[in-house]
Amino acid sequence: AQSVTQLGSHVSVSEGALVLLRCNYSSSVPPYLFWYVQYPNQGLQLLLKYTSAATLVKGINGFEAEFKKSETSFHLTKPSAHMSDAAEYFCAVSDAGTASKLTFGTGTRLQVTL
Amino acid sequence: SAVISQKPSRDICQRGTSLTIQCQVDSQVTMMFWYRQQPGQSLTLIATANQGSEATYESGFVIDKFPISRPNLTFSTLTVSNLSPEDSSIYLCSVRALAIYEQYFGPGTRLTVT
Repeated sequence: AQSVTQLGSHVSVSEGALVLLRCNYSSSVPPYLFWYVQYPNQGLQLLLKYTSAATLVKGINGFEAEFKKSETSFHLTKPSAHMSDAAEYFCAVSDAGTASKLTFGTGTRLQVTL
Repeated sequence: SAVISQKPSRDICQRGTSLTIQCQVDSQVTMMFWYRQQPGQSLTLIATANQGSEATYESGFVIDKFPISRPNLTFSTLTVSNLSPEDSSIYLCSVRALAIYEQYFGPGTRLTVT
């Protein structure tokens, strides 16, 4: 069965600092990987996805993620945090070629301080 | 991306009653899904809503408790039956269009059972 592990349920950064949210996956075959963001009292918004093309994926709002097969990781980064980035971030995995059944990580709450 | 609406956005229901949640998409989509997000938790897939046939349920979810309808390619309902306080959650629908390996989520329905 596929799974993702998000290290750190809470991450706090200063405004302007680097954001790094960690995601490691477990899959017997190369998966599709996704990052979603959830703002308070809202649904999920797709930030970016990896579907076996370029390993460095750029998404919305200045976020990017790099697929590293050797490390089974798909960490999310942003060079400079903004107050508006404060939200819950979810990493998700699905079977390659389907993007149907998504399995989500437990989420990381990002706090941005002045 | 698809625009997805859900009704109601929130509700407070009494124990033993049922709540039906509607999900409407602004375009025809191949696949529709229902997820549950328990308080402070990640998302768990309840079922895949199949157009014109019975929904496909994930382990731990049964049709008697979570009956689903999908009469056409743009609409689905999820009913949460015989409510108990443990059903208090956010319920989200998501969609995926054919050949687009992305899922888009509705804003969610926040259910509180008293």
